[in-house]
Parts: sequence; structure tokens; C-alpha cells
Amino acid sequence: EAGVAQSPRYKIIEKRQSVAFWCNPISGHATLYWYQQILGQGPKLLIQFQNNGVVDDSQLPKDRFSAERLKGVDSTLKIQPAKLEDSAVYLCASSLLAGGVTDTQYFGPGTRLTVL
Amino acid sequence: QKEVEQNSGPLSVPEGAIASLNCTYSDRGSQSFFWYRQYSGKSPELIMFIYSNGDKEDGRFTAQLNKASQYVSLLIRDSQPSDSATYLCAVNKQATGRRALTFGSGTRLQVQP
Repeated sequence: EAGVAQSPRYKIIEKRQSVAFWCNPISGHATLYWYQQILGQGPKLLIQFQNNGVVDDSQLPKDRFSAERLKGVDSTLKIQPAKLEDSAVYLCASSLLAGGVTDTQYFGPGTRLTVL
Repeated sequence: QKEVEQNSGPLSVPEGAIASLNCTYSDRGSQSFFWYRQYSGKSPELIMFIYSNGDKEDGRFTAQLNKASQYVSLLIRDSQPSDSATYLCAVNKQATGRRALTFGSGTRLQVQP
């Protein structure tokens, strides 16, 4: 079974530029998550999708971040304009949403963003 | 108070010893608890999860949960140098369909050969 795919793996941009990340979840997984992991910290949820609907985007900085999952499969996360503090690893995860407490999230390899 | 707290470490243990990693959480509504391992420069990979009080064993790993004390731990028996990594504790509150995990900052484990 293929895992969660993400691209690009690395991105370096200047502040105020825009950037987009792509994620393809594990086949059949209804729920997709975007997390931000700053060096030395645990991942922090940015947005959660169930199929193509948003379940939770309470921690997404909506003035600069946007995300979509149009067909309920792959997703893109965009930052425009980027700030220095956006330098982090952006992790995509997916889960089956089979219900119950054992719904497990699997992470992709991440995209390391450096904002100069 | 952080929602999920872990000692940042590093926790240093000799090869073959038992490593004990601890995590406390603040929300009594938390329902399931996950341990992820993260090697430097890599993404988190699931070790195991637990949702009932008591112990759960999987190979060299044992997760322990005490909901009354709001405490979850991970024991690694016969620690190997390859276990050297950051261990992330994550909590799932599962309220109103929100299944996203709240992570601690992780404990860095060093297993000395």
C-alpha cells in the first residue's frame, strides 16, 4: 500500500513570496490533515478535511494560508505572502475515518520550507 | 499549561536497558493516545496507540495509560542504538468529529552503545 505522498520535499523562498504544497493521501482515506512542525516542537494542526469538507481550520492563519481538497482526494496548501516565521516542515497526514478511538493517522515525508 | 507535556530530554540510556518516556495531558475528555517516533529530518511514524487504562504491549514497546492521573507512558525494553530518536506523545480528543492530534514537543532519546 502506497503511503502519503507530498511534494516538493524542500522549498526555499524569500519573504513575501508565495508557495504551494501538494499532498496525496493513502488510497481510501477520507480524512486529510495538514500540520506545521517548527524545529524543536511537535506538529501543530493547521487544517483537517473530511472528504472535501473542512472539519477544523481554527489554527490556520487565514490571512495568509489557504488549503483546498476539491475532489476529496489530494490537497494543496498555499502560503501567500510568506513570513520568516513560516519556516517549518509542513506535514500531511491521512486517516481512514473508520470511526472509533483507533482511527490512526499516517504521515507523509513532509515539505521543509525555508523563508529567507 | 500545555495540553500535552513531555520532558524534552535528552534521555540517555545504555544499550539493552529499559527506556521510560512519560507524557501528561490536561484535557480529561481525551480518548486515545498515540506514540510516534521521529528520526531527525524524517516524519513521525506510528509506534502504537492506547485508549484503555492499563498496559498494552507490542514487541519491545509497552504503552501505559492512567486516565485518573492523566498520564501516559512508553516503555522500550532492550533499547537499541537504532531507537535513538524523538518520541512524540499525541492525544486525540475526538470531539464533534475533530480527530486531529494534539502533540507534545517530544522527548529525545539517546541509546548509548
